[in-house]
Amino acid sequence: AAGVIQSPRHLIKEKRETATLKCYPIPRHDTVYWYQQGPGQDPQFLISFYEKMQSDKGSIPDRFSAQQFSDYHSELNMSSLELGDSALYFCASSFVEGPSGANVLTFGAGSRLTVL
Amino acid sequence: AQSVAQPEDQVNVAEGNPLTVKCTYSVSGNPYLFWYVQYPNRGLQFLLKYITGDNLVKGSYGFEAEFNKSQTSFHLKKPSALVSDSALYFCAVTLIYNQGGKLIFGQGTELSVKP
Repeated sequence: AAGVIQSPRHLIKEKRETATLKCYPIPRHDTVYWYQQGPGQDPQFLISFYEKMQSDKGSIPDRFSAQQFSDYHSELNMSSLELGDSALYFCASSFVEGPSGANVLTFGAGSRLTVL
Repeated sequence: AQSVAQPEDQVNVAEGNPLTVKCTYSVSGNPYLFWYVQYPNRGLQFLLKYITGDNLVKGSYGFEAEFNKSQTSFHLKKPSALVSDSALYFCAVTLIYNQGGKLIFGQGTELSVKP
């Protein structure tokens, strides 16, 4: 079965540089989420999109922005990178199962960003 | 605000013994609860969920969890642990089961199953 695809898997950047992460959700999934997981931390919600519109926003720095495109893929743009941005960034997608269903998120393998 | 707590950073179990990973939640409405597992350098994998109905839910790989409303808990259990169950386990909650409902995760519990 198709899964959530994230690219790149690994990325190394210098401080103050810019990085872009890409996410390709499972086909027909209508919602995309971005999470940040620091070393030894639980995943922290950054932002989500439903049908290409921002649906919720969490602890996303102003230096970060994201969007979902017409083909439903999403990109997370991070500028003026700081050492503390080094983390594993997960994308997840979901589709409502029905009136009594639950929003089961399927996660990608993550993109590991290292800022030097 | 909704939150999830996993009181144990690590749980150690001998192979073949039952295991329990604890989770408590705090929400202002009806919770929708989930367990995910994370293997090293991998994404989070869905194990099971509680939406409504039977308090005991069964999930993947022989795991089950019991929803206890009075104790606001959703502990993960397995009757007989395997070494391959060793991983990081996250409990999560959402108040919204439809589009856009983000998950709030607990701190995670490292499960170690020894032969």
